[in-house]
Amino acid sequence: DSGVTQTPKHLITATGQRVTLRCSPRSGDLSVYWYQQSLDQGLQFLIQYYNGEERAKGNILERFSAQQFPDLHSELNLSSLELGDSALYFCASSVGGGHFSGNTIYFGEGSWLTVV
Amino acid sequence: GDSVTQMEGPVTLSEEAFLTINCTYTATGYPSLFWYVQYPGEGLQLLLKATKADDKGSNKGFEATYRKETTSFHLEKGSVQVSDSAVYFCALLGGNEKLTFGTGTRLTIIP
Repeated sequence: DSGVTQTPKHLITATGQRVTLRCSPRSGDLSVYWYQQSLDQGLQFLIQYYNGEERAKGNILERFSAQQFPDLHSELNLSSLELGDSALYFCASSVGGGHFSGNTIYFGEGSWLTVV
Repeated sequence: GDSVTQMEGPVTLSEEAFLTINCTYTATGYPSLFWYVQYPGEGLQLLLKATKADDKGSNKGFEATYRKETTSFHLEKGSVQVSDSAVYFCALLGGNEKLTFGTGTRLTIIP
């Protein structure tokens, strides 16, 4: 158990709908990251928050948005869903905001999203 | 930008065989290097890490040495078990503050 908690574990929804994925980081971690894992794209970095503020942005679509709340939990909002958005969405957390020798990123078990 | 090139799979070995999964990277500066493992139906688990040149990360019999001169971080295990069957990802954490992954190598161990 990494200490990173993601809900829901599985979600099935229709095209055009909107969903929210939730993540609680490990206790004491200030950074939250979101990744998408799909069969054709592999593991893609979406976005990172550090202590409530956006820190880095990757290949995140405009239909997707995220935020980190004062209690440090994070939500990833996916809207106008398309079939191609079906994937495993990972949340991860770390103590710091990026690259330093002691930083390690721990992953949750992921949220499986199926768009039908 | 940062990139990780990983040995393509799938890799199939017999139990107790020696394992090597190659990983090379491109990054500016001095990244930290990681191996993550994903067992069937599960999330990503950190297997081992190394944060500077010549560091050796090790865990559960797996080892990888950070080689700056060859920009490599190959994963090795002397005697694999059926329970090691999983997908293995090499990754780096660089100055752009995001974890960059390789494409993953699927390992299957047969008894």
